[in-house]
Amino acid sequence: KQEVTQIPAALSVPEGENLVLNCSFTDSAIYNLQWFRQDPGKGLTSLLLIQSSQREQTSGRLNASLDKSSGRSTLYIAASQPGDSATYLCAAGNWNRDDKIIFGKGTRLHILP
Amino acid sequence: EAQVTQNPRYLITVTGKKLTVTCSQNMNHEYMSWYRQDPGLGLRQIYYSMNVEVTDKGDVPEGYKVSRKEKRNFPLILESPSPNQTSLYFCASSLATGPQETQYFGPGTRLLVL
Repeated sequence: KQEVTQIPAALSVPEGENLVLNCSFTDSAIYNLQWFRQDPGKGLTSLLLIQSSQREQTSGRLNASLDKSSGRSTLYIAASQPGDSATYLCAAGNWNRDDKIIFGKGTRLHILP
Repeated sequence: EAQVTQNPRYLITVTGKKLTVTCSQNMNHEYMSWYRQDPGLGLRQIYYSMNVEVTDKGDVPEGYKVSRKEKRNFPLILESPSPNQTSLYFCASSLATGPQETQYFGPGTRLLVL
């Protein structure tokens, strides 16, 4: 059964720093890996989607990488801003008979002004 | 505007009183699903639907029902709500399942069962 883990659960960094959020998964038979942002009390917004055949995706200051062999994905945020403060979740889409999407519990990020 | 809508956004009810949370998408998506989000447990899938009249259980289906009579709608039904179903519920949709498909989420429904 697929398990998705995000460590740390919470992270505080000063504004302007570059940072990396980690996501690990136990079953490499995934068809994609998505990163989402969730603001308090709000829904999820998709940030980046990496297909299983891809190694990375970039959008503005965000870069997500995928290493299926090691079961890891990272989300790199460059030049962090207070507006980046949110919870970031990763989700693995699985090629199995259930076609389920499994979420990590998220990393709560706080950018200090 | 392409979106997933949920109603109601907030709901307080009592144990045993049947309720329905509606979900609608205007993107002609085939795949729709329901999640609940609880502190310390993260997002867990309740039910999903690959297309009209096709539904399947997720990880936590007990106490819930769904139906998919039309492509755009995927209501979540709690026949006899209990306090352990107090949670934040999200509906999501995607064009299909597959490597390139992004999921779009609704704004969430916060449910309190007394």
